Amino acid sequence: QKEVEQNSGPLSVPEGAIASLNCTYSDRGSQSFFWYRQYSGKSPELIMSIYSNGDKEDGRFTAQLNKASQYVSLLIRDSQPSDSATYLCAVTGANNLFFGTGTRLTVIP
Amino acid sequence: DTEVTQTPKHLVMGMTNKKSLKCEQHMGHRAMYWYKQKAKKPPELMFVYSYEKLSINESVPSRFSPECPNSSLLNLHLHALQPEDSALYLCASSQDVRGVEQYFGPGTRLTVT
Repeated sequence: QKEVEQNSGPLSVPEGAIASLNCTYSDRGSQSFFWYRQYSGKSPELIMSIYSNGDKEDGRFTAQLNKASQYVSLLIRDSQPSDSATYLCAVTGANNLFFGTGTRLTVIP
Repeated sequence: DTEVTQTPKHLVMGMTNKKSLKCEQHMGHRAMYWYKQKAKKPPELMFVYSYEKLSINESVPSRFSPECPNSSLLNLHLHALQPEDSALYLCASSQDVRGVEQYFGPGTRLTVT
């Protein structure tokens, strides 16, 4: 059984701060890693994909991957109240995605 | 365009009803998925279609019956559901099944009474 683990939170940060979300996975064969944002009552929205070790930046978001440590993270710079949501880490298996349980982020104005 | 559409947005059905959920994508994706999501839980995979053929059925009860009429459409037929089947049903699509990005539709909120 492939496992993806995240701290469930809630994680609270003040507006303008950096939010750091972490994820570990058990399958060393996993090749693709994703972060989804899910607002309450809505569907998951893909916000970042990362496939190789290192950092990938997209606007205020930075994804970091370390395959040796089986660790992927998401940094949100200049956090805004609109970033308050649940963030799901997802890791590929043979033919599907395995999701972590999600981290609930609250950005305090 | 990364849009996946789902209808209806909300559905209330009795345990003896038969209903269908519909999903459509026009991104040329060849893999489509049904997920079930309960409150405060991650999406739970139900079915995977690859090139219009069912490739994964995650031991889903037979009261859920998927159908893929063509590469753009995915249906989920519901019959004799139980109250515990009430959940958000999500459709997703991806270019293929091999480790690429999945894009989700807005979901159908299903309530079984």
